[in-house]
Amino acid sequence: GIQVEQSPPDLILQEGANSTLRCNFSDSVNNLQWFHQNPWGQLINLFYIPSGTKQNGRLSATTVATERYSLLYISSSQTTDSGVYFCAVSYNFNKFYFGSGTKLNVKP
Amino acid sequence: NAGVMQNPRHLVRRRGQEARLRCSPMKGHSHVYWYRQLPEEGLKFMVYLQKENIIDESGMPKERFSAEFPKEGPSILRIQQVVRGDSAAYFCASSPDRGNTGELFFGEGSRLTVL
Repeated sequence: GIQVEQSPPDLILQEGANSTLRCNFSDSVNNLQWFHQNPWGQLINLFYIPSGTKQNGRLSATTVATERYSLLYISSSQTTDSGVYFCAVSYNFNKFYFGSGTKLNVKP
Repeated sequence: NAGVMQNPRHLVRRRGQEARLRCSPMKGHSHVYWYRQLPEEGLKFMVYLQKENIIDESGMPKERFSAEFPKEGPSILRIQQVVRGDSAAYFCASSPDRGNTGELFFGEGSRLTVL
């Protein structure tokens, strides 16, 4: 299967700070998604981004498929951004491989 | 448009009992996936189903676990003779039918505790 590595594993930010989360993957993919798992365990779709750049409010993401990585940018972080951020990739539509996540704690 | 619905949200079973977890996909989605999440870990693929067909079950344990997605009704993940190691959150996801890109939409999960 595809190996997915996310960094950093843990991140502590002061409210208002910016951050970049990284996702590296070991093989060619044609699907990539970013999710936020909130403290209640819900998985929220952030981006479906197999390639290119997308923005949604304070969040943006870039995937460079040829170099096998994706970046998630969080600007002006808020306490509600706390939780775990997962990257998931797939080369077919049968299964996604998840990274171990980046655990973000935004302090007020 | 209602999201992916899972029930029960929480389930407690004693060792040796059976657990049945249900998942109704979003309207217009006929692709259903089951994932398992152990505490402090990422999600692990278990099975991918379409209506009445198991497409990929390469992540399912060989024994005690089964899944179905009948023509009518929700998808069901069944765990027989549960053991403590089965305690986990089980997430269901669905993806759209038309021009399926594989984009996943998750339910809120079913948390199984085995005593």
